[in-house]
Amino acid sequence: EIVLTQSPGTLSLSPGETAALSCRASQSVTSSYLAWYQQKPGQAPRLLIYGASSRATGIPDRFSGSASGTDFTLTISRLEPEDFAVYYCHQYGSSPRTFGQGTKVEIK
Amino acid sequence: QVQLVQSGAEVKKPGASVKVSCKASGYRFSNYGISWVRQAPGQGLEWMGWISAYRGNTNYAQKFQVRVTMTTDTSTSTAYMELRSLRSDDTAMYYCARGQWLYDAFDIWGQGTMVTVSS
Repeated sequence: EIVLTQSPGTLSLSPGETAALSCRASQSVTSSYLAWYQQKPGQAPRLLIYGASSRATGIPDRFSGSASGTDFTLTISRLEPEDFAVYYCHQYGSSPRTFGQGTKVEIK
Repeated sequence: QVQLVQSGAEVKKPGASVKVSCKASGYRFSNYGISWVRQAPGQGLEWMGWISAYRGNTNYAQKFQVRVTMTTDTSTSTAYMELRSLRSDDTAMYYCARGQWLYDAFDIWGQGTMVTVSS
């Protein structure tokens, strides 16, 4: 199975700053079938990015995704207070589907 | 609107079974599949398996192969996940999510069902 390793575990930033979250896959992810989700306490995950770089419906353009080989990045520009949450990457091109362990973006 | 609504929290004893439901609305149920994803307290997300709402065929993660059964009722647009021989480490939030077996990100999630396994 494809193992996804996210880094850093925790990112401490201030509102207005830019966050760069990394997700490294243990092998090639089929056709960039890589998604990013945001999860806040007590809530279900919410889809942000699919296909490595396409924003889901209603997601603001300060969220962007990119890919380079087996390395994937979620960038959040101009952090808003509501962006402080846990973020998971997820590959859905090979079975079994797998998730990264998550990166927590916290207020500094 | 498109949504998945899950059944309420459950408390079970070790060795028992639990069956969680996930009712779809706002879209054609048979056009998509349903995956089940669980999250232990303070932990990450774990995919358990998938069922086609159209044909009812399934694909389970190897870890759950022996203990899980996923079914659907197209007359009520409801998916079910039954987990047997419960252990304390099955204590988790269980989510249903819309998508095909592969090649679909999970765009719609249920609100989650907390299953607690305790003697």
